[in-house]
Order: sequence, then C-alpha cells, then structure tokens
Amino acid sequence: AQKITQTQPGMFVQEKEAVTLDCTYDTSDPSYGLFWYKQPSSGEMIFLIYQGSYDQQNATEGRYSLNFQKARKSANLVISASQLGDSAMYFCAMRGPAGGGNKLTFGTGTQLKVEL
Amino acid sequence: GAGVSQTPSNKVTEKGKYVELRCDPISGHTALYWYRQSLGQGPEFLIYFQGTGAADDSGLPNDRFFAVRPEGSVSTLKIQRTERGDSAVYLCASSLKGTAAGGITDTQYFGPGTRLTVL
Repeated sequence: AQKITQTQPGMFVQEKEAVTLDCTYDTSDPSYGLFWYKQPSSGEMIFLIYQGSYDQQNATEGRYSLNFQKARKSANLVISASQLGDSAMYFCAMRGPAGGGNKLTFGTGTQLKVEL
Repeated sequence: GAGVSQTPSNKVTEKGKYVELRCDPISGHTALYWYRQSLGQGPEFLIYFQGTGAADDSGLPNDRFFAVRPEGSVSTLKIQRTERGDSAVYLCASSLKGTAAGGITDTQYFGPGTRLTVL
C-alpha cells in the first residue's frame, strides 16, 4: 500500500524567506507521481507542482521547487521568497501505481503561516 | 476556462436522510474523482470514473454510498441513510485522461467541495 507522511503539522516563516515542507513516501512500485497541493482557508485544492518518478531533474514552478531524493523516498516542497498569500495548508500526494488506478494518496498536511 | 464546479457548496441534513452531491468537471476531462476530507485530514479517495464507468470504487466506505456519471460528464455522489460520521467536505476532481502513466498532463484539478453536515 502507498503511504505519504508529512511530519510537520505547522510551520512558520517570515515574509521573503524560504521554507521547506517535508514529505516522505512509501511505495514498492517503480512508477509513480508526486504532487503538492495548496489548500487556503477557502477550501479549494490548488495544484502547485508535479514530479514523476523517472524525471531526472527536480521540478520547478515559479517560486515552488521540489527537492526530490528518490533513494530517501522524499519529495520536499521548497517555497522561495514567501508571501503572506502563501499562508495555507499544504498537502503532498502520490499517484500510482501504474495499472492500479489513478487515485491520489494524500498526507495529513502542513499548515504554513507566513509572518511579517 | 471554467474549473470544476460542485453544488451545493453546503448541505445540512438530518441523520437518516438521503443526499445528492453534484460535480461538473472541466470540459473535455474524461476522468472524474470523488474524495472525502474530514476535519484536520488529507482527502481520502472514494471513487474514480473513466468516462461513464466506475473504474475504481474501492474507496467507497459502504453500500450507502453510490456515484453515477451517466453521460460521461456530470457526476452525482449519492449517500443513503446518512450518519453523523458522514459529515465532511466532499471534493470532486477531474483530469484529462485518467491514466497513472499520464504524467503531469494528467494532473487532477479540484473543485471547491461540498461541506456536508449531518445533524
């Protein structure tokens, strides 16, 4: 069975600083996809970034980058130059295995608070 | 373009009643998913449609839960004999293809959810 672990229930960061949100995963399948979503207080899940298990380079998307360490089974999200609007819940999720459907398995999330 | 829409945004019902939750996916997306998010938790998978058929319903908690997608677009999640434990936010998502090998092109995009409260 697939599992996502997010060990930081809450994180604080000062505006304009960088922050890393941790995510580890467990799967026996060689093919999988990793996602990060942002969930503001409004409730909608917003897609941020994707990393495929066979991708050679770490994914980047604007101020978001994914520190993918396959051997350690970690996929940490790095947010650079934090903004007040980044305050939200962040979820790491995994899709797979291939042939086993397309459902996402989510972690329990990290609540990020950006302070002035 | 329009995103995933869900109605109603909030639903309050009494224990034992029947409810229907509607999801309208992104136009052209063939795959549709339902998830349930309890307070303080990440979303949990319920069911996945590829076109009109349920490709994976392994996440439905029991036979009180049922979902349909008769024309391959709009989907309805139906809950019979609601219980207080069914209270949660029900999220719908859609993706272009619905294949695990789809890569980033098969990202799931979520709607705003329906908050169900069973009294």
